[in-house]
Amino acid sequence: GAGVSQSPSNKVTEKGKDVELRCDPISGHTALYWYRQRLGQGLEFLIYFQGNSAPDKSGLPSDRFSAERTGESVSTLTIQRTQQEDSAVYLCASSLPRRLAGYAPSYNEQFFGPGTRLTVL
Amino acid sequence: ELKVEQNPLFLSMQEGKNYTIYCNYSTTSDRLYWYRQDPGKSLESLFVLLSNGAVKQEGRLMASLDTKARLSTLHITAAVHDLSATYFCAVTNAGGTSYGKLTFGQGTILTVHP
Repeated sequence: GAGVSQSPSNKVTEKGKDVELRCDPISGHTALYWYRQRLGQGLEFLIYFQGNSAPDKSGLPSDRFSAERTGESVSTLTIQRTQQEDSAVYLCASSLPRRLAGYAPSYNEQFFGPGTRLTVL
Repeated sequence: ELKVEQNPLFLSMQEGKNYTIYCNYSTTSDRLYWYRQDPGKSLESLFVLLSNGAVKQEGRLMASLDTKARLSTLHITAAVHDLSATYFCAVTNAGGTSYGKLTFGQGTILTVHP
């Protein structure tokens, strides 16, 4: 079946402009995550949506960053007034948290999209 | 704050040799994930380790988890060129509303050469 898709795959913008990145999760996955990967580094958590619960925004680096998700479908990550340090690959992942006997309900294998490479000039 | 550290960060191996990548994490968690990333590509899930003593194997890769030592290992047996990639371990924060997010290690860049 279809995996996680993201658009655009590449985005070049000028400093100070706003950008919007889109993520389409795997159908039926209730959880959706945004991560940022700077060149040569690991992934940094940005924000997490789970069903109708309040999103966990603890990883958003500044108030220029925001994200929305409608129900259990598409999510958009918006970066306002972009800065050069925002240049990175933005990865989206989705999962279907499972409750297994004997484990807390946090087993969730996250499936990642191909990412959006953002370059701020 | 949960921290995840991998070592080595760079690993150059000869084909046919064995080696181990280590992943240490700082606070209690019993869910650990290993991912592979090829250059310019997204992350591919390799293993999910859910409990102390868990061991999983797929081809030339074997992952294990020791929750008491807060340590996971990814062992590579008889390396081949196709294994060249960056390998990440990641840990889930346990409890509360933040249980879903992953905290990643820095990644280990593995290069296998003849």
